[in-house]
Order: sequence, then C-alpha cells, then structure tokens
Amino acid sequence: QKEVEQDPGPLSVPEGAIVSLNCTYSNSAFQYFMWYRQYSRKGPELLMYTYSSGNKEDGRFTAQVDKSSKYISLFIRDSQPSDSATYLCAMSPSNFGNEKLTFGTGTRLTIIP
Amino acid sequence: NAGVTQTPKFRILKIGQSMTLQCTQDMNHNYMYWYRQDPGMGLKLIYYSVGAGITDKGEVPNGYNVSRSTTEDFPLRLELAAPSQTSVYFCASSSLTSDQETQYFGPGTRLLVL
Repeated sequence: QKEVEQDPGPLSVPEGAIVSLNCTYSNSAFQYFMWYRQYSRKGPELLMYTYSSGNKEDGRFTAQVDKSSKYISLFIRDSQPSDSATYLCAMSPSNFGNEKLTFGTGTRLTIIP
Repeated sequence: NAGVTQTPKFRILKIGQSMTLQCTQDMNHNYMYWYRQDPGMGLKLIYYSVGAGITDKGEVPNGYNVSRSTTEDFPLRLELAAPSQTSVYFCASSSLTSDQETQYFGPGTRLLVL
C-alpha cells in the first residue's frame, strides 16, 4: 500500500464548476499537508498549506484535512481554464526542512471553456 | 530574484555516459532537494542538503551523487547513465518561516537515456 494515494484522473469539468480533488494517506504521523499545482512542462508551485485538521480558504481554493479519516481535499470554486494543471498533494510529519515531503501521484485536471 | 534555475532543460544520454545536472538558487535558502518525477509515480526524493557541506540520501539515491560546496549550488551527478534514469528531474529549495515551510521548484531537466 502506498503511503499517499491520489486518483490520477484525468478529470475534465466545465468552466464554472466546483472541482474536488482528494488524497488519502496511511501514515498517522503526517501533520502538515500541502497542495501543489503543476502546469505542463513546469515545476510544481505551492498552492495551499495546512497544519493538522480543519479548513483553509484562499480565494477560490479551499483545503480540507480530516486526520481521523486520513483524508485531505482541495476544492476549487468557479473553476477557470487557467486552473487546468496537475494537482499534487504532499504531506510531512513536521515543518522542518530536513523532513522529506511525501507526494501523491497527481491528478490531471482540465477545465473545459 | 531568478528563484531556482536548472540547466540543461533537456538532454539525451547514451547508456554509460555521465553528466551533471546543475541547480542554483538565489534566495539564500539553506535546504535544497533533488527529485525525479516519472509518469504516474509522483515525485521521489533523490538527495537533499540542509546546508553547504551537508548532504543526505533520500528515497531513491542509487546511481546518483551530489555535492554542496556553496549555499547557492546543488549539482546532481549521474556517473553511469541507465535507461531507468530516464525521467524529469526537479531541484527545489526551501524557506522555513515561522509557520510554514515552502519548497520552491525549478523548471526541471528532462533526461532521456538511450
């Protein structure tokens, strides 16, 4: 069993729809949870960063963490064609730089105009 | 700030050849990382460094070597290229603020070993 599971997609939705992206994990030591966005042929860029359980909102993006279920989600409201990218979840036991991140495999998302 | 830069963008190697992937960051970050990304496999950590002169193995270090002589540079060396090393390689550096660690990634190097 992989430490982090993520549906690879691809996922295609019409512009304006609400998108839900999810990851599950097995390591209960994970405390810090991140979502990275990766455009085609580019490096990943940090989109959302959350600690422990709860919700965090930033504009059209909401990150949700449920540690009891070992489940994290990223919601995108009013999706735009510019949101078309691969979304990677990542998690870590601590926020120290020498603690490696464990990444999901990524979900490829396409927003159809 | 240029951020994290990587060279070359793309390279074709023959089996058994060697090469160095260059990585430079201008953000004065102590932490630097090398990842490889294979289709459907996510990002795997190859090596990381917590500061100049200090390096450590990640999840998939076999076939690679690194050095960190300065804060800015973190080159990755492939000594005997193998087809299994065909991948996209990303370098990253890390900033640890009071409540959040952010890894900044370079644009990647695509490597094809034939």
